[in-house]
Amino acid sequence: DQQVKQNSPSLSVQEGRISILNCDYTNSMFDYFLWYKKYPAEGPTFLISISSIKDKNEDGRFTVFLNKSAKHLSLHIVPSQPGDSAVYFCAANKYYTGNQFYFGTGTSLTVIP
Amino acid sequence: DTGVSQNPRHKITKRGQNVTFRCDPISEHNRLYWYRQTLGQGPEFLTYFQNEAQLEKSRLLSDRFSAERPKGSFSTLEIQRTEQGDSAMYLCASSPTGGGSEKLFFGSGTQLSVL
Repeated sequence: DQQVKQNSPSLSVQEGRISILNCDYTNSMFDYFLWYKKYPAEGPTFLISISSIKDKNEDGRFTVFLNKSAKHLSLHIVPSQPGDSAVYFCAANKYYTGNQFYFGTGTSLTVIP
Repeated sequence: DTGVSQNPRHKITKRGQNVTFRCDPISEHNRLYWYRQTLGQGPEFLTYFQNEAQLEKSRLLSDRFSAERPKGSFSTLEIQRTEQGDSAMYLCASSPTGGGSEKLFFGSGTQLSVL
């Protein structure tokens, strides 16, 4: 049962343009959401997070938007850079009561110079 | 560097053999997690420790799998009688309790290949 879904396995974007990665979840008990970035042969590294009490969180070129009614979140990268090319995972957690982090299947982003 | 350390990075074994992986978390982190990732999938939760206590196990963790965290420091994950379906990247992660516990810090993983 995939509770966190990333329906786009891959995305290609020109350097300097916006990258938008999408994520949907099914469990309304999730109250904390994270994005991780993964390069080949490395473990995932934390990128940005958002609590369910917010609808937007921004950190430099990265912004995460949360739409609780739609159970949808997205990661915007502006401007995209070649070094952003990696696999991006969306994850969700029940912050106060859960120990498990549920991950999506990932979206492979390629930023074309 | 005091990040999460995993050894070995790669392990090739024959079906039926036992393997053991080690994880050294960030020293001040009380929580330790094991995840498994196969090609095209996201990390899947296997088990979780709070200090030395194993508090949660996934149904993915069959009786061939066992994890320990003696003294609440490093952890080991053992797979007995390996099967080809066990081939995956095994990821260890840690997090502190309290502030910052909302995110996991991952190691580089152990890539297991069962022939």
